Amino acid sequence: DAGVIQSPRHEVTEMGQEVTLRCKPISGHNSLFWYRQTMMRGLELLIYFNNNVPIDDSGMPEDRFSAKMPNASFSTLKIQPSEPRDSAVYFCASSPVGLAGTDTQYFGPGTRLTVL
Amino acid sequence: TQLLEQSPQFLSIQEGENLTVYCNSSSVFSSLQWYRQEPGEGPVLLVTVVTGGEVKKLKRLTFQFGDARKDSSLHITAAQPGDTGLYLCAGRTGTYKYIFGTGTRLKVLA
Repeated sequence: DAGVIQSPRHEVTEMGQEVTLRCKPISGHNSLFWYRQTMMRGLELLIYFNNNVPIDDSGMPEDRFSAKMPNASFSTLKIQPSEPRDSAVYFCASSPVGLAGTDTQYFGPGTRLTVL
Repeated sequence: TQLLEQSPQFLSIQEGENLTVYCNSSSVFSSLQWYRQEPGEGPVLLVTVVTGGEVKKLKRLTFQFGDARKDSSLHITAAQPGDTGLYLCAGRTGTYKYIFGTGTRLKVLA
């Protein structure tokens, strides 16, 4: 079975441009997470969806960041306008059931974003 | 702000040596997970511990959850080059949310 799929794997853009990151969760998983990983701050939760509904977006840095999940098999994270400090690796993870108890999060390979 | 501090930050050892990685917090967690992350990949779950004082073994890896559920340790016996990677602990703070630790970067030399 395919794991979590993310695209693109690498993105280089200039400050001020719009960036869209894409994620396809594992089929049948109803929880989806977007994380950001940097050397300084480690792995941080940005937003959590359950059954396609955003449940917690308290980790989204500011209004420049938005995330959608139009259906169970697709989610996007958009940054508009992008800034150099947004440079990081962005991970999508999915989980069955809703992370109750000891559910496992399955991470995608990540998108390395560089904003010049 | 809940923090999970991991120590050491970096560890370079020879193949065959033993090592312990620590994960500490002032907060209580309902469960704690350990992940390993290799370059260019996402973290992969190794284990989840739930009960205070719980010990789990995964081949040469031994995981322990502190009695007060504020800390955890990962012990690797006879390390191998394949154990090289970034080790992350993650404490569960709510129904779905995990706080990730600062990470320990391990390199095992052949």
